[in-house]
Amino acid sequence: KQEVTQIPAALSVPEGENLVLNCSFTDSAIYNLQWFRQDPGKGLTSLLLIQSSQREQTSGRLNASLDKSSGRSTLYIAASQPGDSATYLCAVPPSGGSYIPTFGRGTSLIVHP
Amino acid sequence: GAGVSQSPRYKVTKRGQDVALRCDPISGHVSLYWYRQALGQGPEFLTYFNYEAQQDKSGLPNDRFSAERPEGSISTLTIQRTEQRDSAMYRCASSQNAETGPYGYTFGSGTRLTVV
Repeated sequence: KQEVTQIPAALSVPEGENLVLNCSFTDSAIYNLQWFRQDPGKGLTSLLLIQSSQREQTSGRLNASLDKSSGRSTLYIAASQPGDSATYLCAVPPSGGSYIPTFGRGTSLIVHP
Repeated sequence: GAGVSQSPRYKVTKRGQDVALRCDPISGHVSLYWYRQALGQGPEFLTYFNYEAQQDKSGLPNDRFSAERPEGSISTLTIQRTEQRDSAMYRCASSQNAETGPYGYTFGSGTRLTVV
C-alpha cells in the first residue's frame, strides 16, 4: 500500500523567503505526481503535475522535481508572498490499475508580511 | 460545467439521519472520485466511477455509505444513519479518463458535513 509523507507538517516564514516542501512515497511505481494547494473553504487547486517520465515542472514561482527511484518530490516556492499561505498537498496515483491517488497530510504554510 | 460542483456546501444533520451529497463533474469527464478529509489530514479515497460503473468502493468505511452515478454524470454519495464520526469534508474530483492516462484531477469545493 502506498504511503505518502509530507515534511514539514507546518511552516511559518517571513515574506520573501525561498521555500522547500517535501513529499516522499514508498512505492515508486507511480503514474505521475500532482501538487495541490488547499485554501480554507475551497477546493483543492492543482498547481503542478509531473509525469513519471519527467524530472521537473515549473509554473511561475513554483518548481516541482520528481525523483522516482528515491521516492521523493520537492516543491520549491521562490520569493514567497503572504498570498502563498495555504496547505500544500501532494497526490500520487499508482502506475497500474485504478490510478487512484494517495494523498499526503499536507504542509500548512503561513507567509507573514 | 466549467468546474466540479458540489452541493450542499455545508450540511448539519442530527445523528441517525440520512444525508445525500451531490457532485456534478466537469462535462465530459469519464472518471469521478469521492474522498473524505478529516481536519489536519489528507483526503482519503472512498470510491470512484468510470462512466456509470462503480469501479472501486474499497474505501467506503462501512455499509452505511453508498454512492451512485446512474447516468455517468452527476453522482450522489449517501450516508445512512449518520454518526458523529462521519463529520468531515467530503470532496469530489473528476478526471478525463483514469485508464488511458490521467492528466490530473479537478476537485470541487467540498461538502462540510457536521453530525450533531
